[in-house]
Amino acid sequence: GEDVEQSLFLSVREGDSSVINCTYTDSSSTYLYWYKQEPGAGLQLLTYIFSNMDMKQDQRLTVLLNKKDKHLSLRIADTQTGDSAIYFCAESPLEYGNKLVFGAGTILRVKS
Amino acid sequence: EAGVVQSPRYKIIEKKQPVAFWCNPISGHNTLYWYRQNLGQGPELLIRYENEEAVDDSQLPKDRFSAERLKGVDSTLKIQPAELGDSAVYLCASSPRSLAGVSNEQFFGPGTRLTVL
Repeated sequence: GEDVEQSLFLSVREGDSSVINCTYTDSSSTYLYWYKQEPGAGLQLLTYIFSNMDMKQDQRLTVLLNKKDKHLSLRIADTQTGDSAIYFCAESPLEYGNKLVFGAGTILRVKS
Repeated sequence: EAGVVQSPRYKIIEKKQPVAFWCNPISGHNTLYWYRQNLGQGPELLIRYENEEAVDDSQLPKDRFSAERLKGVDSTLKIQPAELGDSAVYLCASSPRSLAGVSNEQFFGPGTRLTVL
């Protein structure tokens, strides 16, 4: 079945690291994605990870994948106020072609 | 390069009225998606097109929703008649090509926020 779960809210201080967690259910997903949504805007792809990798780093972003536990995390180093947004985790189960199944999103609030 | 364009950005209608949303995908993108995003939720796929063919419409409520993508470029999504529960943001996205096993970066438009009174 399809089910992606995320914590609802995270609050951090500017300059700290943020870690947003996600669990998914379908082990057939070849890629797992992180999207960012700012108020009134569409979703923007931040990064993605191939399922045979356990880590991917891209500037301030680090994605960790634990395939055994079906757990995905996004770490944002040196979090800035501009990082305040909603972050969505998404899986793409093979049986559904390239359909993305999104979690409900995690609201990240960065306090200055 | 222009992104995915959607119009209108906002629409307020009374229940039982019809409504239509329009999407212009990124030039050259064969695959087009319509999603519905309810408040506090992630987007849920309504329909996916490969060129002009609807290849996945299993989540589209066909009694009141319809979509078309004539000529494989622009697309419209229609609701007739609208119900209170249709209030949501309707997002359009496009991607270069939909291939199983290949990273599927989808580019999203800003969405149309529909309010049904």
